[in-house]
Amino acid sequence: DGGITQSPKYLFRKEGQNVTLSCEQNLNHDAMYWYRQDPGQGLRLIYYSQIVNDFQKGDIAEGYSVSREKKESFPLTVTSAQKNPTAFYLCASSSTGGSPLHFGNGTRLTVT
Amino acid sequence: QKEVEQNSGPLSVPEGAIASLNCTYSDRVSQSFFWYRQYSGKSPELIMSIYSNGDKEDGRFTAQLNKASQYVSLLIRDSQPSDSATYLCAVMGNTGKLIFGQGTTLQVKP
Repeated sequence: DGGITQSPKYLFRKEGQNVTLSCEQNLNHDAMYWYRQDPGQGLRLIYYSQIVNDFQKGDIAEGYSVSREKKESFPLTVTSAQKNPTAFYLCASSSTGGSPLHFGNGTRLTVT
Repeated sequence: QKEVEQNSGPLSVPEGAIASLNCTYSDRVSQSFFWYRQYSGKSPELIMSIYSNGDKEDGRFTAQLNKASQYVSLLIRDSQPSDSATYLCAVMGNTGKLIFGQGTTLQVKP
């Protein structure tokens, strides 16, 4: 079945450690996105990529990094520079500009 | 001014009633508009997409778009308790960025 796979579902880290969240899609979509959601809030865009080897900062990119070496994969690294990393992280993809996004099941990151 | 604004609610309606959810956006060149439903602890799922002015109907759902007023709405007819969720409005401009509103929580009371 085609879809977007995020792993792991839950992730726990100590403060000061970098952590990488995985996102893989087999939908052959060109564009991929990372969002962050805090309790009671909407989704805020971290990074997005419309083509392999290219990506753009979203509204809250500070403290995060991404890579897009393959069409299918768009990993997100939460660095120690991110002041409040505990959140629900959602990866999404879309086929072309203007098409709706399809979301993975999310990774819930807790940093203590 | 936020790029995409929604009333956070909660919006409470009785079962069988029409629920009306509203959203305004600031970018006049926005091209694509979406409504997502999100249950607590889950990821958003697409309900409706709309690209041109007017109404678009899909089952019990109707999306309405008015680009001149920069306004998009979602009507849910015959609301069911299973419709209780947070509804997210999302707007895409010509840069490829999809911007979400904060969401409106809908409660359908049996």
